[in-house]
Amino acid sequence: NAGVTQTPKFRVLKTGQSMTLLCAQDMNHEYMYWYRQDPGMGLRLIHYSVGEGTTAKGEVPDGYNVSRLKKQNFLLGLESAAPSQTSVYFCASSFSGRVGQPQHFGDGTRLSIL
Amino acid sequence: GQQLNQSPQSMFIQEGEDVSMNCTSSSIFNTWLWYKQDPGEGPVLLIALYKAGELTSNGRLTAQFGITRKDSFLNISASIPSDVGIYFCAGPSNSNSGYALNFGKGTSLLVTP
Repeated sequence: NAGVTQTPKFRVLKTGQSMTLLCAQDMNHEYMYWYRQDPGMGLRLIHYSVGEGTTAKGEVPDGYNVSRLKKQNFLLGLESAAPSQTSVYFCASSFSGRVGQPQHFGDGTRLSIL
Repeated sequence: GQQLNQSPQSMFIQEGEDVSMNCTSSSIFNTWLWYKQDPGEGPVLLIALYKAGELTSNGRLTAQFGITRKDSFLNISASIPSDVGIYFCAGPSNSNSGYALNFGKGTSLLVTP
């Protein structure tokens, strides 16, 4: 029972490069989320999706794009990486959008932009 | 969005001691969640609270939903080394991303044998 799986686990990029982070969940959850975690900042929501084919902006969406072509996958893209995007990225999913619904997290992708 | 303030920011205790931490909100919540994050891993849900005054336990952990609905508390009894990690409180976000969670900045716990 994998839950939420994120790939890759680590990545180093040069400024201006692009990349895609992949999140896959096997719990048949409708809702998926991308957060970033920076020291002393807690987790901040980047983008989220309430179902296949839908995406919406969160608290800090600038510089990121997302896609949800399949229910089980949620992709986070960086078109032109910047040093300010150095962070740990977490994907999460939840069964429903009920307010306060607990979310299940992956183990994170540690991204460094040089 | 509303602010969640967690305290203390960090704790350094000896094995066997009890631990208390709390979280306050600038607005009323109808749900409080407590997560733990082990080093190098993602947050894992510990306890969910859905009713003011509710007291819920999970092993040595006990959490309470404050009567004012603006605060919550997490207690850990007889701490052990594997309790090390960062503890986050979370509640529903009132931003446009209505399904998202709003997280506190975390309480970092270190336990010495």
